[in-house]
Amino acid sequence: DQQVKQNSPSLSVQEGRISILNCDYTNSMFDYFLWYKKYPAEGPTFLISISSIKDKNEDGRFTVFLNKSAKHLSLHIVPSQPGDSAVYFCAASEPSGYALNFGKGTSLLVTP
Amino acid sequence: NAGVTQTPKFQVLKTGQSMTLQCAQDMNHEYMSWYRQDPGMGLRLIHYSVGAGITDQGEVPNGYNVSRSTTEDFPLRLLSAAPSQTSVYFCASSYMRGGLTAQYFGPGTRLLVL
Repeated sequence: DQQVKQNSPSLSVQEGRISILNCDYTNSMFDYFLWYKKYPAEGPTFLISISSIKDKNEDGRFTVFLNKSAKHLSLHIVPSQPGDSAVYFCAASEPSGYALNFGKGTSLLVTP
Repeated sequence: NAGVTQTPKFQVLKTGQSMTLQCAQDMNHEYMSWYRQDPGMGLRLIHYSVGAGITDQGEVPNGYNVSRSTTEDFPLRLLSAAPSQTSVYFCASSYMRGGLTAQYFGPGTRLLVL
């Protein structure tokens, strides 16, 4: 049973605009959330994380928002650049857990 | 720092053959793991290790064995390959701080089982 869900398989955004990638989770025990970016034929690359004691974390153009009551997180990329075109995975883990639970990914295309 | 390295990059096997996928990290990470990625399935955890001599099963462990004799290396063994094991395999490592921290992934091994 998928505990982390990314319901949009793909997203297309114009360069310079905001990209918003969404992720929902079902396990209320999750307390650590991560976003990974993956280019074809490469391994996933860690982008940004957030713990459940926060509702926002920023790193340059990337911001992750966490809404615990809705069991929802989102990744905002502002401004979007063509190099951001990749598959983005959301992942989550429980306290003292040993497994990352991944969503199926959202393919982002940033067009010039 | 090479990070997480995986060999081979690509492998073709016949059904029933065995092979070992190699993974090594030079960051002194306690935690290492193996995932497989299949189309439309995201990444699924096969096995993981929280230190030398300690391994455990993940979500999809059947058909795979692992061992962790050193901190650096975490090989994945396919004992008798099946077409259902055709996939892209990623190794990852991280520090442990109570729970998991951000994992660093290797470049992957593409496996085709005929």
